Amino acid sequence: KAGVTQTPRYLIKTRGQQVTLSCSPISGHRSVSWYQQTPGQGLQFLFEYFSETQRNKGNFPGRFSGRQFSNSRSEMNVSTLELGDSALYLCASSAVQGVNGNTIYFGEGSWLTVV
Amino acid sequence: QKEVEQDPGPLSVPEGAIVSLNCTYSNSAFQYFMWYRQYSRKGPELLMYTYSSGNKEDGRFTAQVDKSSKYISLFIRDSQPSDSATYLCAMSVGAGGGNKLTFGTGTQLKVEL
Repeated sequence: KAGVTQTPRYLIKTRGQQVTLSCSPISGHRSVSWYQQTPGQGLQFLFEYFSETQRNKGNFPGRFSGRQFSNSRSEMNVSTLELGDSALYLCASSAVQGVNGNTIYFGEGSWLTVV
Repeated sequence: QKEVEQDPGPLSVPEGAIVSLNCTYSNSAFQYFMWYRQYSRKGPELLMYTYSSGNKEDGRFTAQVDKSSKYISLFIRDSQPSDSATYLCAMSVGAGGGNKLTFGTGTQLKVEL
C-alpha cells in the first residue's frame, strides 16, 4: 500500500514569491493535515482538511492556505514568501477524523528554502 | 510557554544502554500520547501510542503516561546504533480536536558503538 506522497521534495523560492505544495494521502484516507517543521519551533500544526472542508486551523498568518479535492488530495499554498518560511512541510493522512493518533501517517515532506 | 516541553538533548549513549526520553505538558485535555521517530531528512514514523494513563510495551520500547503529573516517557532498552534519530512526543485531545497533534521539539539521540 502506497504511503503519503508529497511533491515536490525540494524547492528554492525567492522572497515575495508564492509556492504550492501537494500531498496525496494513503488510498482511502479522507483526512489530511499539514505541519511546518523548523529547527527553532519544531513541528507546528497548520491545518486539517476532511472531506474537502477545513476542520482545524493552527496559529499561522493568512498567507498560509490550503484546500482538499474530492479525491482527498490536498495542496497548501504560501503567498508572499518570507525568509522565515524556510522549513520542512509535512503532510499527514488519516482514515477518519478525530480518532486516536495511531491512524496518522506522515509523508517524507517538502523542503522549502526561501532566499 | 509551550504546551509540550521536551528536552532537546542531544543525547549520546553507548550501544546497549537504556535510554529514557521525557515530555511534560500543560493541557489537561490531552488524552492520546504518541512517540514518533524521525530519521534525518525523513518524515516522522509512529513508534508508540498510548491512550490516557498507563504503560505500553512493544519490543525494546516502553511508553509510560502519567496524566496526574502531566508527564510521559519513552524507554528504549538495549539501544542500537539504528536507534540514532530524533524522537518526538506528540499529543492530541481526541475527537474534539480532530487529528491535530501537538508536538514536543524533539530529542536528538545518538547511540554509539
